[in-house]
Amino acid sequence: AQSVAQPEDQVNVAEGNPLTVKCTYSVSGNPYLFWYVQYPNRGLQFLLKYITGDNLVKGSYGFEAEFNKSQTSFHLKKPSALVSDSALYFCAVRDILAGAGSYQLTFGKGTKLSVIP
Amino acid sequence: ETGVTQTPRHLVMGMTNKKSLKCEQHLGHNAMYWYKQSAKKPLELMFVYSLEERVENNSVPSRFSPECPNSSHLFLHLHTLQPEDSALYLCASSRDPTSSYEQYFGPGTRLTVT
Repeated sequence: AQSVAQPEDQVNVAEGNPLTVKCTYSVSGNPYLFWYVQYPNRGLQFLLKYITGDNLVKGSYGFEAEFNKSQTSFHLKKPSALVSDSALYFCAVRDILAGAGSYQLTFGKGTKLSVIP
Repeated sequence: ETGVTQTPRHLVMGMTNKKSLKCEQHLGHNAMYWYKQSAKKPLELMFVYSLEERVENNSVPSRFSPECPNSSHLFLHLHTLQPEDSALYLCASSRDPTSSYEQYFGPGTRLTVT
């Protein structure tokens, strides 16, 4: 079984400050991990993913995420927040061991990020 | 978002109506998905198609009926819906449904059942 948790429903940060959106996961084997962003009245937009290799993954719009296997976390970060970053952020996981018969990408409930001018 | 398009963007229907949602992907992908997004709940995967074959049906009520006539088009036929079916319905596509490829989402159809 695979699951993902986003412990914060909302994160508020001042413009220009660093931001972190938290994600923890649970899988039987090794994970594929993804971050998506959703702006109002829009679909989800892919930001970045971790498959293997370097634990620090860089993605779109200056976002990055760090894979931490011991803490089973994949937190999303950005050094300097912009007002335009305000949106809903989703973490998602797929268990590599799930194999060819599993098509489920499990999403978290989402974290609303508000960047205050 | 021009990679995956959905029509209509908004739909209001009565419980006895029959309507269809349409999704089209222009990315050359082999897999397509329907998701339901309700407030305060995680995305719910409804159906998965791989090369036009339905490969997953997540215990979705029969009042939702998917159709995938080719790898670029996906429909969701709706009939005798309930008010609790009101939600944002998202279509997505990916190169492959089982590996590490990310999914690309359309803008969604906001469905209201009255």
